[in-house]
Amino acid sequence: KAGVTQTPRYLIKTRGQQVTLSCSPISGHRSVSWYQQTPGQGLQFLFEYFSETQRNKGNFPGRFSGRQFSNSRSEMNVSTLELGDSALYLCASSRSQGYQETQYFGPGTRLLVL
Amino acid sequence: AQSVSQHNHHVILSEAASLELGCNYSYGGTVNLFWYVQYPGQHLQLLLKYFSGDPLVKGIKGFEAEFIKSKFSFNLRKPSVQWSDTAEYFCAVNDPMYSGGGADGLTFGKGTHLIIQP
Repeated sequence: KAGVTQTPRYLIKTRGQQVTLSCSPISGHRSVSWYQQTPGQGLQFLFEYFSETQRNKGNFPGRFSGRQFSNSRSEMNVSTLELGDSALYLCASSRSQGYQETQYFGPGTRLLVL
Repeated sequence: AQSVSQHNHHVILSEAASLELGCNYSYGGTVNLFWYVQYPGQHLQLLLKYFSGDPLVKGIKGFEAEFIKSKFSFNLRKPSVQWSDTAEYFCAVNDPMYSGGGADGLTFGKGTHLIIQP
């Protein structure tokens, strides 16, 4: 079974721009979560989508948003980019068939903001 | 809110040495517990997980972890490490009773960078 895929793998943007990252979950998985990984803050939860609805949200400003499509694919958008948004953005998917779920991670999109 | 502490940020061992990486969490309720590993240039992979039952869980590549509820700990162990175990190790927790939809967001520790010297 194919794993979680993320596109693009690398991005370079300038301050003030916006960016959209894409994630395709493992086939059959209906929940998609997004995380930000930085050297200083480590791995931090951004938000989770299930059935096209944001169900859970971490402590990030409103510039970070996302959506999920009917095929469970998800996109994450960051508007008005800041230098501090440079990070590895990870997507994880899970089945969501029960209350004990395992999240499987994709390779990430590395974003550099100049 | 949950928090996870990994006591050792950097660990250097020789091949064949025994390994124990500490992980403590702070959360009063029931938790799911995970160890993930990130090998150089690769993505996060699940090493092992604890949901319920036997507190000693075995994972891939000879790793195991023990959940000690009274100590809020979930330490990772391996009796004899190999050079290929060089990686970043992350302990993570989430709420098994999360009812929002899929899996609850994971709270990660800061990670332990393990270097195995040949």
